[in-house]
Amino acid sequence: SQTIHQWPATLVQPVGSPLSLECTVEGTSNPNLYWYRQAAGRGLQLLFYSIGIDQISSEVPQNLSASRPQDRQFILSSKKLLLSDSGFYLCAWRSTGAASPLHFGNGTRLTVT
Amino acid sequence: TQLLEQSPQFLSIQEGENLTVYCNSSSVFSSLQWYRQEPGEGPVLLVTVVTGGEVKKLKRLTFQFGDARKDSSLHITAAQPGDTGLYLCAGASGTASKLTFGTGTRLQVTL
Repeated sequence: SQTIHQWPATLVQPVGSPLSLECTVEGTSNPNLYWYRQAAGRGLQLLFYSIGIDQISSEVPQNLSASRPQDRQFILSSKKLLLSDSGFYLCAWRSTGAASPLHFGNGTRLTVT
Repeated sequence: TQLLEQSPQFLSIQEGENLTVYCNSSSVFSSLQWYRQEPGEGPVLLVTVVTGGEVKKLKRLTFQFGDARKDSSLHITAAQPGDTGLYLCAGASGTASKLTFGTGTRLQVTL
């Protein structure tokens, strides 16, 4: 069966520090991969998605970047965090096809102080 | 940027009541999904609708996709405390790789 791992679960970082959140998927090949950010109790904002290795689409220009160095690995990074980067970050994967469901990790709660 | 607006934003009802959540957009989607999310966890898929006018039932939940594939609704009959959560619609478009989420509806069902 397929599983998705996202870490860390919580993170407190000072303003100006770098960020690296990692997500890996097991049990499937060539998944579509996604990074979302969620404000408290609200909908999910799509940050990046990837349909293949080194193929990254950015949805919102901001202080973040994403990379996909391996088929089932998706990394969200920042060189210098801002206070506004605080939030709940979710990684997800899905198979190709419009009707395929998203499978989410358990998320990372990032607090920038 | 495609927007999916959900209404209401918040809903607090008593057990046994019925409710409807709406998901509206000016864009056409190739498919639309509904998810429910518990605090501190990722959303979990409830249903996928792909055909305009399609209706799907999942126990006490009824989902409908608009004829023009721009909107959807979720109706819950006889709500129970276990239905409490954040309900999210999400539309697939373009190459279908991109999935855009709605603004969310927080439902609380009390005894």
